[in-house]
Amino acid sequence: EDKVVQSPLSLVVHEGDTVTLNCSYEVTNFRSLLWYKQEKKAPTFLFMLTSSGIEKKSGRLSSILDKKELSSILNITATQTGDSAIYLCAGVHGSGNTGKLIFGQGTTLQVKP
Amino acid sequence: EAGVTQFPSHSVIEKGQTVTLRCDPISGHDNLYWYRRVMGKEIKFLLHFVKESKQDESGMPNNRFLAERTGGTYSTLKVQPAELEDSGVYFCASSPGQGAIGSYEQYFGPGTRLTVT
Repeated sequence: EDKVVQSPLSLVVHEGDTVTLNCSYEVTNFRSLLWYKQEKKAPTFLFMLTSSGIEKKSGRLSSILDKKELSSILNITATQTGDSAIYLCAGVHGSGNTGKLIFGQGTTLQVKP
Repeated sequence: EAGVTQFPSHSVIEKGQTVTLRCDPISGHDNLYWYRRVMGKEIKFLLHFVKESKQDESGMPNNRFLAERTGGTYSTLKVQPAELEDSGVYFCASSPGQGAIGSYEQYFGPGTRLTVT
């Protein structure tokens, strides 16, 4: 059965800290790995990673995929209170050019002032 | 560009009643997905439409759930009759058509919180 595991499940840091969130996956017909940020309602798309070893960056956030280790990390540098959210990792179980997402449990990040 | 919208945002019904959830995907997105998160669990896939056709409904819990996407635009998910274990947050997501750049990227709506009492 397809599975995605995230760690840690929760994390409390102070503003300015750097955090690393982990995601490991066992997904058949694996196509890509996606990261989302969920604050109140809709999960908001952050990154899609398809190739191993290529870092994607957006401001203070960056992510990389390791297909040999079946894992990915999401880094957030110089954290701010606005980074407080649930971070979701999902593997794409592919079918043609699209596919269903297999989600992890999420990592709840709290950034204190 | 408007995002994925869902209606209602919250629904409280009694066991045995019927509820219909609606999802409007991003305009032009052929792919539409339904997911559900029950309390304490991860978000789980329910089904996938490509235009008006069901591509994959392997995640539908049982035959009390009926999803439709007439005309390939908005979709509805009906639960009839509702049971207590159907409570949770129902998310809809959409992505561009096959072959389009970024078609694995799924954009989510805010969800419908369903409470069955």
